[in-house]
Amino acid sequence: NAGVTQTPKFQVLKTGQSMTLQCAQDMNHNSMYWYRQDPGMGLRLIYYSASEGTTDKGEVPNGYNVSRLNKREFSLRLESAAPSQTSVYFCASSSHGGTSGRQSSYNEQFFGPGTRLTVL
Amino acid sequence: QKEVEQDPGPLSVPEGAIVSLNCTYSNSAFQYFMWYRQYSRKGPELLMYTYSSGNKEDGRFTAQVDKSSKYISLFIRDSQPSDSATYLCAIVQGAQKLVFGQGTRLTINP
Repeated sequence: NAGVTQTPKFQVLKTGQSMTLQCAQDMNHNSMYWYRQDPGMGLRLIYYSASEGTTDKGEVPNGYNVSRLNKREFSLRLESAAPSQTSVYFCASSSHGGTSGRQSSYNEQFFGPGTRLTVL
Repeated sequence: QKEVEQDPGPLSVPEGAIVSLNCTYSNSAFQYFMWYRQYSRKGPELLMYTYSSGNKEDGRFTAQVDKSSKYISLFIRDSQPSDSATYLCAIVQGAQKLVFGQGTRLTINP
């Protein structure tokens, strides 16, 4: 049981390049999330997906796109990377959400190990 | 005003000290409050959560919520070097979202 996995662990891009960050979870969770973490800013939500086939914007969605490929996988794409997107990116999942069943009240989220992205 | 504000630290204390970490929040409707711990170069992991007001204790850790002043705290008793980490408070906003504080980096010196 690996929990939440992310690839790659590190990446360096040049301004204008594109890339996709991959995330997968093996806990059969309904909801998945992408955050970025910057010094002094805490974790900020980029996008989330409450169930397979649905995605919603978070606090800082500009410059990003997401795909909920299936229940296990949720990818984050940078179409044209900018230096302001230099950050550590975390994927998370939660049993909360979905289209049926009891909802957990406090939405515990389980995080992956992160991807350190530098845009030059 | 940010929905959750957290003292950024950094905070450095000697081993065995009592540590107090604090956050304030803006919306009195929030009901669920969490503390996550993040070791260096790792993802955050849930340490404790509390519902509404009052205290919750788990070993050396106590989470406290004061809804009248919109203040949440995490106390660590008999702090150990292994407690050195960044601590993030979070509130549950609506059905899906967590809103995090900025995080406080804590160092326990042997």
